Amino acid sequence: QKEVEQNSGPLSVPEGAIASLNCTYSDRGSQSFFWYRQYSGKSPELIMFIYSNGDKEDGRFTAQLNKASQYVSLLIRDSQPSDSATYLCAVNPQGAGSYQLTFGKGTKLSVIP
Amino acid sequence: DTAVSQTPKYLVTQMGNDKSIKCEQNLGHDTMYWYKQDSKKFLKIMFSYNNKELIINETVPNRFSPKSPDKAHLNLHINSLELGDSAVYFCASSWTSGNEQFFGPGTRLTVL
Repeated sequence: QKEVEQNSGPLSVPEGAIASLNCTYSDRGSQSFFWYRQYSGKSPELIMFIYSNGDKEDGRFTAQLNKASQYVSLLIRDSQPSDSATYLCAVNPQGAGSYQLTFGKGTKLSVIP
Repeated sequence: DTAVSQTPKYLVTQMGNDKSIKCEQNLGHDTMYWYKQDSKKFLKIMFSYNNKELIINETVPNRFSPKSPDKAHLNLHINSLELGDSAVYFCASSWTSGNEQFFGPGTRLTVL
């Protein structure tokens, strides 16, 4: 069974610090990787996606992918209290259509003012 | 304008009842999905529809049946509700070849 693993947290960081969220996946042939943010009581929203090994930056967010280690991470620089949410890692497994995603259980992030 | 909408937002019902949840998207996407999020926040896909064809059906009990009258709508009908069906159900949509799935606001189902 194709799995996506995340530390459930909670991960607490002080305001202004870097938050590092990690995700591992079991299917070595996975092609694309996504980070969704979900506020309590709300629906998931896409923050970033990454396809290639290395880093991808968007504002305060950086996604990092290492396919050899089957590892993807999300760094949030200058963390703000508004970043407090659950972050879901999602993977498009090999052989699936481009639309099929397997989600991890999420990491709850708390940014302390 | 709401991109993906679901009704109802809350649904409280007794065991054994039959209920439906409706979903509509106005994004022109060609693929729609239903997800179940349990109390531990685990988001798991149930179904997806592409151009009115069912293309994924995970190990979901056949008490759950998706119905898509057109590509903008994907409704979820549940027969003989059980306590374990209590969860938040999310509808989502995307392009088949797209990067992003857009989620609806969710329907919180409580079975008593």
